[in-house]
Amino acid sequence: AQSVTQLGSHVSVSEGALVLLRCNYSSSVPPYLFWYVQYPNQGLQLLLKYTSAATLVKGINGFEAEFKKSETSFHLTKPSAHMSDAAEYFCAVSDQGGYQKVTFGIGTKLQVIP
Amino acid sequence: ETGVTQSPTHLIKTRGQQVTLRCSSQSGHNTVSWYQQALGQGPQFIFQYYREEENGRGNFPPRFSGLQFPNYSSELNVNALELDDSALYLCASSRRGDYGYTFGSGTRLTVV
Repeated sequence: AQSVTQLGSHVSVSEGALVLLRCNYSSSVPPYLFWYVQYPNQGLQLLLKYTSAATLVKGINGFEAEFKKSETSFHLTKPSAHMSDAAEYFCAVSDQGGYQKVTFGIGTKLQVIP
Repeated sequence: ETGVTQSPTHLIKTRGQQVTLRCSSQSGHNTVSWYQQALGQGPQFIFQYYREEENGRGNFPPRFSGLQFPNYSSELNVNALELDDSALYLCASSRRGDYGYTFGSGTRLTVV
């Protein structure tokens, strides 16, 4: 069974500071990995996805994530936080092939302090 | 391109009742997945539909059922509602083989 673990249910950063949201995955087969963002009372929006091409993946809004197989990690980073980045972020994993079931983590709420 | 639209946005039902939630998938997408997101939790996979057939199911009882129509829109039906069914129900569409969902804004179901 595949799963993801998000370290830290709440993360606070100052505006302009580095954003680092941690995610570790568990999968018995090569995974596809995703980060989604959810703003209050809205659905989820795909930030970026890793599908076994380049290990450093660039997404929307200046976010990027690096797939590290040796560490089973897929941490999300952004060099400089903006107030509009305050939201909940979900890491997710899917098996390659088969039907496209995606398994989500419990989420990390990002607070940006002015 | 149109996104994923869900209706209704909010719903209040009484325990024991039945509910139908609707979803129109994004143009060009042929796969629809449904997720339940309880307060403070990540989305939990309910099931997925492709070519009008259930193509995979999570750990949800049979009283959760669905349909996919020829135009790829979908319904989620829940019978015999329980208080624990209160949650945000999210519909997500995708193209078969293209990983990365497009989500709707969800239906907030409250069971009293």
